[in-house]
Amino acid sequence: DTGVSQNPRHKITKRGQNVTFRCDPISEHNRLYWYRQTLGQGPEFLTYFQNEAQLEKSRLLSDRFSAERPKGSFSTLEIQRTEQGDSAMYLCASTRGTAEYEQYFGPGTRLTVT
Amino acid sequence: RKEVEQDPGPFNVPEGATVAFNCTYSNSASQSFFWYRQDCRKEPKLLMSVYSSGNEDGRFTAQLNRASQYISLLIRDSKLSDSATYLCVVNKGGGADGLTFGKGTHLIIQP
Repeated sequence: DTGVSQNPRHKITKRGQNVTFRCDPISEHNRLYWYRQTLGQGPEFLTYFQNEAQLEKSRLLSDRFSAERPKGSFSTLEIQRTEQGDSAMYLCASTRGTAEYEQYFGPGTRLTVT
Repeated sequence: RKEVEQDPGPFNVPEGATVAFNCTYSNSASQSFFWYRQDCRKEPKLLMSVYSSGNEDGRFTAQLNRASQYISLLIRDSKLSDSATYLCVVNKGGGADGLTFGKGTHLIIQP
């Protein structure tokens, strides 16, 4: 257990529905990252926050995806109008500094879109 | 060219052997390099950072060649518990702070 928690751990939804995932980072970590991982691939960067500010978004983050970190603590990732291609493991990671510091990953939320 | 390329394996290696993985990256602006380990159905965990001068942590040695944009990981005296997927990770550089992961190299240590 790295100290980063994610909820729910599993989510099954029908195509077209909206889903929201939550990440609680290690409390003193000011940076929070979201990644997506599919079978046989490494994690793909989606976005990251420095405190409450969203500083970078990947091209992978389409208009249907939105992330927030309202008080600089926990973060949510929402996917609207889910598609089957959104099925993946969504990983959250936190770190106390910039990119050269170790990122601590949560256990992930596995999304299945039917 | 993919941003981070690794041989996916699997590498089947007898216990006690030495095994080496390589990784190449395309972004010359990258400044931070890592090896992460991921066990089946688990989250990635940092194995070691990779420094320009090379660095060692017990049985693990990491090397960086900036000119060739190449990173390596050497595992000596491999243990059964070393069986995992090893992810080569590079920061995006150029002011961008996200990390780019390779697909990973799958290692199986056989008794």
